Amino acid sequence: DAKTTQPTSMDCAEGRAANLPCNHSTISGNEYVYWYRQIHSQGPQYIIHGLKNNETNEMASLIITEDRKSSTLILPHATLRDTAVYYCIVRPIPLNTGTASKLTFGTGTRLQVTL
Amino acid sequence: DARVTQTPRHKVTEMGQEVTMRCQPILGHNTVFWYRQTMMQGLELLAYFRNRAPLDDSGMPKDRFSAEMPDATLATLKIQPSEPRDSAVYFCASSVDGGGTRLNTEAFFGQGTRLTVV
Repeated sequence: DAKTTQPTSMDCAEGRAANLPCNHSTISGNEYVYWYRQIHSQGPQYIIHGLKNNETNEMASLIITEDRKSSTLILPHATLRDTAVYYCIVRPIPLNTGTASKLTFGTGTRLQVTL
Repeated sequence: DARVTQTPRHKVTEMGQEVTMRCQPILGHNTVFWYRQTMMQGLELLAYFRNRAPLDDSGMPKDRFSAEMPDATLATLKIQPSEPRDSAVYFCASSVDGGGTRLNTEAFFGQGTRLTVV
């Protein structure tokens, strides 16, 4: 039961912005959008997350549409080291104290940054 | 530099043998996840714990897999008996989750244990 849809692969020229889309049309009000990436042979790495407002940190920006049904991860100046699989994840806020919510990965987008 | 530590990094074992993988979460983290990654299935969530108690292990084959947290500094994933189809990279991750309406925080992943069952 896929909660997010991402393109299988994308290419980006080094130095250009990489815009990775994600569709999460069934997202509910208590669910956050998370982005992780996995560089070859390494464990996944957290990038950013948000609820409804756009977010920015030192790695990337996250743009969430007003209806929250889709989002875009932006790497402003992609480098070769950004070549990785990028995962968009919808994760609920745990409703009860003493619990934690699942972090479930889909198939992601394989981003290839080229010279 | 706080990090999640997994041991061993690589393990080759014969079918039928017991395998134990260990994970040391980041000190102070109260939530631990176990994942398995294969080319065919991608990253699958096997189980996760909060404050050492299992919250969900529905992704784990119960007949041969078991996951425990003997204490707050150690999580273990055991396979007995192991089978060739268990060959995969197993990742552990830890995070601080407040529960309730508190914001989820990022999960930090270890480097994984690459298991090969022959």
